[in-house]
Amino acid sequence: QLQLQESGPGLVKPSETLSLTCTVSGGSVASHSYYWAWIRQPPEKGLEWIGDIFYGGRTYYNPSLESRLTMSVDTSKNQFSLRLTSVTAADTGVYYCARRAYNSGRLLFDYWGQGTLVTVSS
Amino acid sequence: DIQMTQSPSSLSASVGDRVTVTCRASQSISTFLNWYQEKPGKAPKLLIYGASSLQSGVPSRISGSGSGTDFTLTISSLQPDDFATYYCQQSYSTPWTFGQGTKVDIK
Repeated sequence: QLQLQESGPGLVKPSETLSLTCTVSGGSVASHSYYWAWIRQPPEKGLEWIGDIFYGGRTYYNPSLESRLTMSVDTSKNQFSLRLTSVTAADTGVYYCARRAYNSGRLLFDYWGQGTLVTVSS
Repeated sequence: DIQMTQSPSSLSASVGDRVTVTCRASQSISTFLNWYQEKPGKAPKLLIYGASSLQSGVPSRISGSGSGTDFTLTISSLQPDDFATYYCQQSYSTPWTFGQGTKVDIK
């Protein structure tokens, strides 16, 4: 059974960089079939897609975050990561990692981590 | 960006009730629509993809329908495990976008 687990600091100061890692177990990030995604949920709000990355490095970013966002994959550790610069309080929320897949020609997020709360505050 | 609007934002229901959640897209998305269930402290779970296809392992009391701009998630007989928040998500074009969620709680 595929499992994803987010890790990283729970508190980040404004203007600094938020860095999170997702460790994948029960499967390989170096798969030709999947992209790996980050999705977040600000307090009392809905879900927001952040971006997807393929193990070869191809990325799709949400335009609203693209100027501050970098995603990467480390196949040797079976992990993928998120780096978001110049954070503000608006970046506070629960951050999820997920697997992006296709089924019957339909894109979907079929496995998710439990999420990690990141608070931006001084 | 394609905006996804869910209604209602919350509802109260009893075990055994039939529950319907609606999702409307700001433009036609064919059947590129997924539904997820979220519970506090747990990983979100894919329920429905392609508007009406049931993800493996999801009980058949859950179903989805719709195409174009209007979609529905239906739980035919609400069970205790179904009290949760439900989100729709369009996979027609990037950025992939979600509805704001519908919380189903106990009446």
